[in-house]
Amino acid sequence: QKEVEQDPGPLSVPEGAIVSLNCTYSNSAFQYFMWYRQYSRKGPELLMYTYSSGNKEDGRFTAQVDKSSKYISLFIRDSQPSDSATYLCAMMSQGSASKIIFGSGTRLSIRP
Amino acid sequence: GAGVSQSPRYKVAKRGQDVALRCDPISGHVSLFWYQQALGQGPEFLTYFQNEAQLDKSGLPSDRFFAERPEGSVSTLKIQRTQQEDSAVYLCASSLVGPGGNTGELFFGEGSRLTVL
Repeated sequence: QKEVEQDPGPLSVPEGAIVSLNCTYSNSAFQYFMWYRQYSRKGPELLMYTYSSGNKEDGRFTAQVDKSSKYISLFIRDSQPSDSATYLCAMMSQGSASKIIFGSGTRLSIRP
Repeated sequence: GAGVSQSPRYKVAKRGQDVALRCDPISGHVSLFWYQQALGQGPEFLTYFQNEAQLDKSGLPSDRFFAERPEGSVSTLKIQRTQQEDSAVYLCASSLVGPGGNTGELFFGEGSRLTVL
């Protein structure tokens, strides 16, 4: 079993819809939770970063962390065709200098 | 440059050939990471440098893989005697923060796509 599980999709929704992306994890030591966005043939770029549990909002994006359920989510409101990309969740334990563990990514397509 | 630069962007190698992939991190970034991304998968950790010191190489899949960062800036990932299973995108990332301060905010390059025939 992988430390981080993520539904690979693909997920296709109409423009303007609310998108929900999720990951589950097994390592209770994870304290830092991130969402990266990766366009085709590009490197991942950091979208959202959260420490421990709770919610964080940035424009149309909201990240949620539920450590009791070992479950994290990314919500995209008013989705746009430019949001079409692969979304990778990533996690790291405190004090770890290097062990950033990525999910396998969810491919998202927003239909105009 | 403004971002992480990787070269070559594309490399085709015959099985058994040696390859070298280069990474120019963002100037001043202390930490440098190499990841391997297979098709349809997320990045898998290979190795980590803090300045010139290689602090973690636990993700290197075999002793055919070797990475260095001799002056704490540019890094090279070398793969000897390439095999077909080495075909993947090799991503380099850098981070500004140093010891104990890494929060996962990595800046990635566009990757080097290696195809082994």
